[in-house]
Amino acid sequence: DQQVKQNSPSLSVQEGRISILNCDYTNSMFDYFLWYKKYPAEGPTFLISISSIKDKNEDGRFTVFLNKSAKHLSLHIVPSQPGDSAVYFCAAEGGNQFYFGTGTSLTVIP
Amino acid sequence: ETGVTQTPRHLVMGMTNKKSLKCEQHLGHNAMYWYKQSAKKPLELMFVYNFKEQTENNSVPSRFSPECPNSSHLFLHLHTLQPEDSALYLCASSQGRAGANVLTFGAGSRLTVL
Repeated sequence: DQQVKQNSPSLSVQEGRISILNCDYTNSMFDYFLWYKKYPAEGPTFLISISSIKDKNEDGRFTVFLNKSAKHLSLHIVPSQPGDSAVYFCAAEGGNQFYFGTGTSLTVIP
Repeated sequence: ETGVTQTPRHLVMGMTNKKSLKCEQHLGHNAMYWYKQSAKKPLELMFVYNFKEQTENNSVPSRFSPECPNSSHLFLHLHTLQPEDSALYLCASSQGRAGANVLTFGAGSRLTVL
């Protein structure tokens, strides 16, 4: 059974607007949540993470929100830029194991 | 070289061939991983090595055989694969300790089984 789910396979946003990518998980024991970004022909690269004891973490244009009661996290990108166009993977870590979602392909339209 | 390096980047093999994927990390990490990425599926964890010891084998068929001779190198030996094994195979490494671990991925090896 999939422990981390990204229900939106794709998202299109105008340049300058906010991009919101969503992720749901099932296991309340996860310690950390991470977002990775993947360009074609490259491996995923780490973007931002959040500890399970926090509800928000911000790094420049990227903010991750965690709602533990809903077992939901989201990544906000604002303002969105064309270079942000990529596949974004949500991941959860527990016991040094990482569980990934299926990814959301973000397209930022100039 | 820095980061995680995977070779070859592309591999085409027949079902009776034997080949190997190689991964090397220059980050001083203690844990190394093999993941499989198939279309429209989440990244599937295959194997985990911590300090050269295999700590996870995620019900992977025996036609995939990992080898970790030291904490910097990881191999995936392939033999008698099936067409459904065609996928992107990603190697990753991490500090391998409790706390905020971050996986650092290689660029992947794109495998096609004919």
